[in-house]
Amino acid sequence: GAVVSQHPSWVICKSGTSVKIECRSLDFQATTMFWYRQFPKQSLMLMATSNEGSKATYEQGVEKDKFLINHASLTLSTLTVTSAHPEDSSFYICSARDYPYTNQPQHFGDGTRLSIL
Amino acid sequence: AQTVTQSQPEMSVQEAETVTLSCTYDTSESDYYLFWYKQPPSRQMILVIRQEAYKQQNATENRFSVNFQKAAKSFSLKISDSQLGDAAMYFCAYRSDSNNNDMRFGAGTRLTVKP
Repeated sequence: GAVVSQHPSWVICKSGTSVKIECRSLDFQATTMFWYRQFPKQSLMLMATSNEGSKATYEQGVEKDKFLINHASLTLSTLTVTSAHPEDSSFYICSARDYPYTNQPQHFGDGTRLSIL
Repeated sequence: AQTVTQSQPEMSVQEAETVTLSCTYDTSESDYYLFWYKQPPSRQMILVIRQEAYKQQNATENRFSVNFQKAAKSFSLKISDSQLGDAAMYFCAYRSDSNNNDMRFGAGTRLTVKP
């Protein structure tokens, strides 16, 4: 079945550094990928929708300059947390849908646990 | 905006018994999709079951089935013959058909399975 690979799975870094998270669709094309953030014991909150070849669409309250999204190909989207601070520590999950089958469910990556010291 | 409500933060079931997780949603649309996802401690999101709103028949996947009541905007998940491996967070999710970018999750229900 469809697989979404997310890397890295766990990152620990110092405050002020930038962290890049990759999301790849391994056996299908995804014109649209989604980035979610999940705090402990809470639900997934959609941060932004990543569109191949165009600018991402951010949800209200999400800083686009803080969370840079690049979707340069049909199989890869990246999320860069710029100048990360402890409050950015969270679990980040990407998902993708098999293009052009827009009625298909989203497939999720395994998530990235980000810890900012 | 669409909202998804899971009113049970925690549920518990005895192994081999049946449990039902509740989900309601609010929408003005007629075409949409509903999903149940399972998130075990590994935090991987696993699709359990899906339902198209235009289908009247309730979806079934082995031990998992749903009770979809479109008029009541209710989408409950029934797990039969519960197994220890079913213990996880369960999220109900709604996705609009008119706007394919819009998928919303409920707050989740933590299911414990007692041996």
